[in-house]
Amino acid sequence: ILNVEQSPQSLHVQEGDSTNFTCSFPSSNFYALHWYRWETAKSPEALFVMTLNGDEKKKGRISATLNTKEGYSYLYIKGSQPEDSATYLCAFRGKLIFGQGTELSVKP
Amino acid sequence: EPEVTQTPSHQVTQMGQEVILRCVPISNHLYFYWYRQILGQKVEFLVSFYNNEISEKSEIFDDQFSVERPDGSNFTLKIRSTKLEDSAMYFCASAGGVGTSVSYEQYFGPGTRLTVT
Repeated sequence: ILNVEQSPQSLHVQEGDSTNFTCSFPSSNFYALHWYRWETAKSPEALFVMTLNGDEKKKGRISATLNTKEGYSYLYIKGSQPEDSATYLCAFRGKLIFGQGTELSVKP
Repeated sequence: EPEVTQTPSHQVTQMGQEVILRCVPISNHLYFYWYRQILGQKVEFLVSFYNNEISEKSEIFDDQFSVERPDGSNFTLKIRSTKLEDSAMYFCASAGGVGTSVSYEQYFGPGTRLTVT
């Protein structure tokens, strides 16, 4: 059974703090790893799709790295802002197998 | 900016009734998906659809479920005889382009909350 795990489950930081979350996935039969940002009452928003070992992607203050051999991806947020508060989901493969999400709360 | 839309936003139905959840994917996308999230649980894959047929389905997607793309724009999920445990948020997603779907971002709709009483 394919399982995707995320840690931590929730995170509370102060505005300006940098933070990172982890997504662990099976290292065999890797195809792609997706990161999504999901605000309450909105659709999940695609952040990154990562396909190659060693991939690093960046969008503004958010970046992600990928290690397919050991089966993990890190999502980094530099200088967190209140508007970054959301649940961050990673998902594995084409038919997305989701982790349980990391709920980020940024206090001003 | 193009977006995936879903209707209705909330559907309440009685156990045993049929429901149809509707989605309008982004117009030039080729891959379509349904996911669901039961309250407090992970988002779960139900089915993927490409080239007018199901390409993959999960063990959740049993004979009670079916999908259709009746007119080239709508993408529907039908549950024939709803059960209490079908109560969940159902998300439609679409992804674009020619070739493998795994590297395409999936764009999600806002979801339909299905409540089975």
